[in-house]
Amino acid sequence: DTEVTQTPKHLVMGMTNKKSLKCEQHMGHRAMYWYKQKAKKPPELMFVYSYEKLSINESVPSRFSPECPNSSLLNLHLHALQPEDSALYLCASSQDITGNGRELFFGEGSRLTVL
Amino acid sequence: AQRVTQPEKLLSVFKGAPVELKCNYSYSGSPELFWYVQYSRQRLQLLLRHISRESIKGFTADLNKGETSFHLKKPFAQEEDSAMYYCALSSAGTALIFGKGTTLSVSS
Repeated sequence: DTEVTQTPKHLVMGMTNKKSLKCEQHMGHRAMYWYKQKAKKPPELMFVYSYEKLSINESVPSRFSPECPNSSLLNLHLHALQPEDSALYLCASSQDITGNGRELFFGEGSRLTVL
Repeated sequence: AQRVTQPEKLLSVFKGAPVELKCNYSYSGSPELFWYVQYSRQRLQLLLRHISRESIKGFTADLNKGETSFHLKKPFAQEEDSAMYYCALSSAGTALIFGKGTTLSVSS
């Protein structure tokens, strides 16, 4: 299995809702990432987990809460979001964050709409 | 600070014409450079990485450390090459940083 799988593909939520985005990979990768992508813009890094520990947090608001339950799974918990948080949320994985293992494999993304 | 610059937002060429998508970077160490491509309604995927020196779908890219550039080239563009292309930079212990992207449009 050489894919990164994200669920749900689409999510619509109100500003008071609590929801989660899920990401899974079975390539044995030890680094996993959340990126946010607005229309016609490049992906912006949000979080990086390396060996199940949060190693990078790009000053993301606390209404986004990442979780890495094990080396294959990555969640993004959403609470009290704003309409401007509407975007495509991309999960990615790589063998590692050092050396030659930095090639990222991306999921198809979860398209989030906040009403 | 690390930075990736793609000066062209849009590049339009005719089928069979040569293509060059420009990418310049700033980083004081030894970065790893990548080209990622996003076709319409498909996931972001790796096209090239500089350390492998491969040619994928006819595209090549050479890292020029003197000019801090990693331009993507193809001698004869095809319509199926139409997509968004991102140049990206990675250094040890940090995640991928993307340029703003260039939309390549190939028409017949």
